[in-house]
Amino acid sequence: EVQLVESGGDLVQPGGSLRLSCAASGFSISSYWIHWVRQAPGKGLVWVARINNDGSSISYADSVKGRFTVSRDNAKNTLYLQLNSLRVEDTARYFCAKGAYHLDVWGKGTTVTVSS
Amino acid sequence: DIVMTQSPDSLAVSLGERATINCKSSQSILYRSNNKNYLAWYQQKPGQPPKVLISWASTRESGVPDRFSGSGSGTDFTLTISSLQAEDVALYYCQQHYNAPYSFGQGTQLEIK
Repeated sequence: EVQLVESGGDLVQPGGSLRLSCAASGFSISSYWIHWVRQAPGKGLVWVARINNDGSSISYADSVKGRFTVSRDNAKNTLYLQLNSLRVEDTARYFCAKGAYHLDVWGKGTTVTVSS
Repeated sequence: DIVMTQSPDSLAVSLGERATINCKSSQSILYRSNNKNYLAWYQQKPGQPPKVLISWASTRESGVPDRFSGSGSGTDFTLTISSLQAEDVALYYCQQHYNAPYSFGQGTQLEIK
């Protein structure tokens, strides 16, 4: 079964850091684009970042550029999202999703809360 | 950046009736070289991740009931549910995958009247 499982979400103070993980099963992340999408409580979906299949191309939303970094470990079949300089407005559920175009497989998400 | 705007923000439709959700992009998301519109529709139910319903503006994903259909081209798109069922109560989002940032519409909440 093709599956994505996120982990690493936590409560963190403003200015702090977290690393989220997105573990894939049933397929190889080295063959697919993977995106990160977030959803603040009671709000809509916001695209955050994506990495292409070979890691040669990464894009970020302006709101996270310079603070968030996507990386991958093909041996572990896992994608990461490093979140630095966190702000209160980064509070959200973070989903990873697979797809070069439309996002056809989503994880259940992991929750990041930024609060003092 | 491409801005996606959905209308309405919320919609109440009687069971068995038609529901129509619109999505407009701030620039064309039709790629001329392959004549494909880079637009997808997603359904999200409470406590669940989104699920893709429609890709390439009008291609129904495997397993999606045929009461769901997508149409439109260029900058104007529509998701239609031909006969609303109780299980269709959800939030619906459009998303452009033409270029980064791959923006979503603000969402449309669909309810039963």
